[in-house]
Amino acid sequence: QQQVKQSPQSLIVQKGGISIINCAYENTAFDYFPWYQQFPGKGPALLIAIRPDVSEKKEGRFTISFNKSAKQFSLHIMDSQPGDSATYFCAASGWNNDMRFGAGTRLTVKP
Amino acid sequence: KAGVTQTPRYLIKTRGQQVTLSCSPISGHRSVSWYQQTPGQGLQFLFEYFSETQRNKGNFPGRFSGRQFSNSRSEMNVSTLELGDSALYLCASSEGRAGNTIYFGEGSWLTVV
Repeated sequence: QQQVKQSPQSLIVQKGGISIINCAYENTAFDYFPWYQQFPGKGPALLIAIRPDVSEKKEGRFTISFNKSAKQFSLHIMDSQPGDSATYFCAASGWNNDMRFGAGTRLTVKP
Repeated sequence: KAGVTQTPRYLIKTRGQQVTLSCSPISGHRSVSWYQQTPGQGLQFLFEYFSETQRNKGNFPGRFSGRQFSNSRSEMNVSTLELGDSALYLCASSEGRAGNTIYFGEGSWLTVV
């Protein structure tokens, strides 16, 4: 069963725009929520992560917003650049270190 | 520090055969996880090993198995290959505590014909 639901499946944004990817989880035992970025031919790489004790975390142009009561979290990419074109995965894990991934979002940033 | 290394990078097998994939984790990492990535199913968790013991397991049939050695290197094996096993198999390593970042290798591309 899918424990982390991610949307949209694909996203096209103009250069300079804001990219928003959403995820929802079911298991309230999850307490670590990372986002991974994957370029073609490469393994996923950690982009940014958040824990449920904060509602927002920002690193450069990347921001995670977290809503514990709604069991949702999202990734915002400000001033999106063509180099941001990649597949993004949200994930969640709990005390047992068993990480579950969303289905991925293919982002295309048009110049 | 060297990253996660997976071998082989590409391989083609025939239906019914078996395959073994290898993973060398980042030095000092004791946890190794394996994932299957396909276009339609995303990243599916196979299993995780910590200190030579399987600690977590996903929902895959018994044809998928793994092991970890005392130096933390890991192998996964798929027996009686099916066409649907064609995928990118990713290995990831971490220190093994909850909330630790996991670092992925570049994967092994398996094609079953």
